[in-house]
Amino acid sequence: EAGVTQSPTHLIKTRGQQVTLRCSPISGHTSVYWYQQALGLGLQFLLWYDEGEERNRGNFPPRFSGRQFPNYSSELNVNALELEDSALYLCASSRRTGDNEKLFFGSGTQLSVL
Amino acid sequence: DQQVKQNSPSLSVQEGRISILNCDYTNSMFDYFLWYKKYPAEGPTFLISISSIKDKNEDGRFTVFLNKSAKHLSLHIVPSQPGDSAVYFCAASAVGGAQKLVFGQGTRLTINP
Repeated sequence: EAGVTQSPTHLIKTRGQQVTLRCSPISGHTSVYWYQQALGLGLQFLLWYDEGEERNRGNFPPRFSGRQFPNYSSELNVNALELEDSALYLCASSRRTGDNEKLFFGSGTQLSVL
Repeated sequence: DQQVKQNSPSLSVQEGRISILNCDYTNSMFDYFLWYKKYPAEGPTFLISISSIKDKNEDGRFTVFLNKSAKHLSLHIVPSQPGDSAVYFCAASAVGGAQKLVFGQGTRLTINP
């Protein structure tokens, strides 16, 4: 069974640019989560998508957005990149069968903003 | 406001000894706690969890202890092996499931031969 896949693995952008990160969940998982891990910090919750809808978002500005497609894959878009957006962006998926589902993470996209 | 804190950024333990990783939380509504393990260039992987109705959960070499009154949990690894060298994250959630997971900053565990 394939795990959560993310692309690209690494990305270098400059301030003000826009970036799109992609995530494919485990087959059968309908929920996709995005987390940001900046250097020295824990995983910060960004967005949660389930059944194509945005269900919750963390404390991030509106220039962080995304969507979930009918096949449950997801994109994370970040507009007007700032230096502090440099981080590892992790996608995770889970079955939407109830509370306390364990998350399965991808390997992440390392974004560097210069 | 860091609701889940891992105050030790790093820990070094000799192979064969016990590794103890600690985690404190502030939100009394948290009722489910998990530990994730992360190797470089990989995503975190689930290790072990515990519900607030328990104070201990064991899985092989890994045991998680929960002290609700102190709002503290710990992960014990016995015996520690070189392959255990990784970053360990604790996470907590209140009613509402995985979308409400709050992670700590992580502790880098190094097992020395």
